[in-house]
Amino acid sequence: DTGVSQDPRHKITKRGQNVTFRCDPISEHNRLYWYRQTLGQGPEFLTYFQNEAQLEKSRLLSDRFSAERPKGSFSTLEIQRTEQGDSAMYLCASSVVGEGETQYFGPGTRLLVL
Amino acid sequence: AQTVTQSQPEMSVQEAETVTLSCTYDTSESNYYLFWYKQPPSRQMILVIRQEAYKQQNATENRFSVNFQKAAKSFSLKISDSQLGDTAMYFCAFMRINNNDMRFGAGTRLTVKP
Repeated sequence: DTGVSQDPRHKITKRGQNVTFRCDPISEHNRLYWYRQTLGQGPEFLTYFQNEAQLEKSRLLSDRFSAERPKGSFSTLEIQRTEQGDSAMYLCASSVVGEGETQYFGPGTRLLVL
Repeated sequence: AQTVTQSQPEMSVQEAETVTLSCTYDTSESNYYLFWYKQPPSRQMILVIRQEAYKQQNATENRFSVNFQKAAKSFSLKISDSQLGDTAMYFCAFMRINNNDMRFGAGTRLTVKP
């Protein structure tokens, strides 16, 4: 069990550029979550998948954000036309249905938009 | 809407002593999960302890225990025999049954002093 992994760990981009992050969940975890964490705050839920289906999206997730989990394994989170307010840590977590919904987190991708 | 409040932004404790972190939450649900997560500096978030609301017995995990007061909607974390490695941000989190929108508090920064 290698844990949840995220790539890249750090990303610096210029305002207006698109960025894509990847998350690999713990193998056989059928639920995958994305959160955003800004400095000094707790994580905020963005969206989650069960297998390949995106079942819930937060109102925080603007139209510039899109997430996919095409084969029910890894997931990508894309931000289009980045803004300075998108600067944050983006966390991914995974869980197994039926195991008390405990979510296991990855190390995060820290995004800085200049 | 469910909200989680951690009223102590920062706390410190001497090594080997005991410290209690506070958490309150607001919900109209009768069944849910509560969690404490630990986020060490520049490291990923890990689960410390979890509690199912339908269980009256307080959860314990080695040096970590909770005081779950359902009527008061309070969920405090007690760390006994504090160790330097306990230095971290601690987040309290709430999740409804069958709903994967986990809500986090703003966190408490705990420093264990030698």
